[in-house]
Amino acid sequence: EAGVVQSPRYKIIEKKQPVAFWCNPISGHNTLYWYLQNLGQGPELLIRYENEEAVDDSQLPKDRFSAERLKGVDSTLKIQPAELGDSAVYLCASSLDGAGRAFFGQGTRLTVV
Amino acid sequence: KQEVTQIPAALSVPEGENLVLNCSFTDSAIYNLQWFRQDPGKGLTSLLLIQSSQREQTSGRLNASLDKSSGRSTLYIAASQPGDSATYLCAVTGANNLFFGTGTRLTVIP
Repeated sequence: EAGVVQSPRYKIIEKKQPVAFWCNPISGHNTLYWYLQNLGQGPELLIRYENEEAVDDSQLPKDRFSAERLKGVDSTLKIQPAELGDSAVYLCASSLDGAGRAFFGQGTRLTVV
Repeated sequence: KQEVTQIPAALSVPEGENLVLNCSFTDSAIYNLQWFRQDPGKGLTSLLLIQSSQREQTSGRLNASLDKSSGRSTLYIAASQPGDSATYLCAVTGANNLFFGTGTRLTVIP
């Protein structure tokens, strides 16, 4: 069974540029999470989807971050414009439902210079 | 908001020792608790999931316990090996979301 797939694995951009991350969850998983992880810290939730609906985006900085999950499958997280403080690892996870075991992708390491 | 704390932040042990990692959470209204392993530069790998109605789960040399009423969980690793070196994260699933602790960085010295 294929796991959660994220791309790209690494991204280096200049500040003020846009960037997008893509996530393909495990087939059949209704719940999809985007997390941000800074070095030495635990993951912090950005947004959670149940199918195509964003059920919790309270921690998403909406002035520069946006996300979508069209058709309730793949998801894209975008930052525009990126700031130096956005440098972190962005993790995507999925589960059958909100109470199930969560499976994580390898993450995208973003460096903003 | 749920707060998850892990102690210690870092731990070094000689190979072969048994060890315990601790996790505490503030809101006992949880669906389950999961323990994850994270290797440097990698994503998270789920190790064990304990449902809120369960007291413990075992997988190989790993045993996780849950005391929901006191808001605590422990991960017991028996006969530690150098390959166990990683960061271990606990996460609780509540009504709204999956909340993580900051992790314990484990080093097993050969």
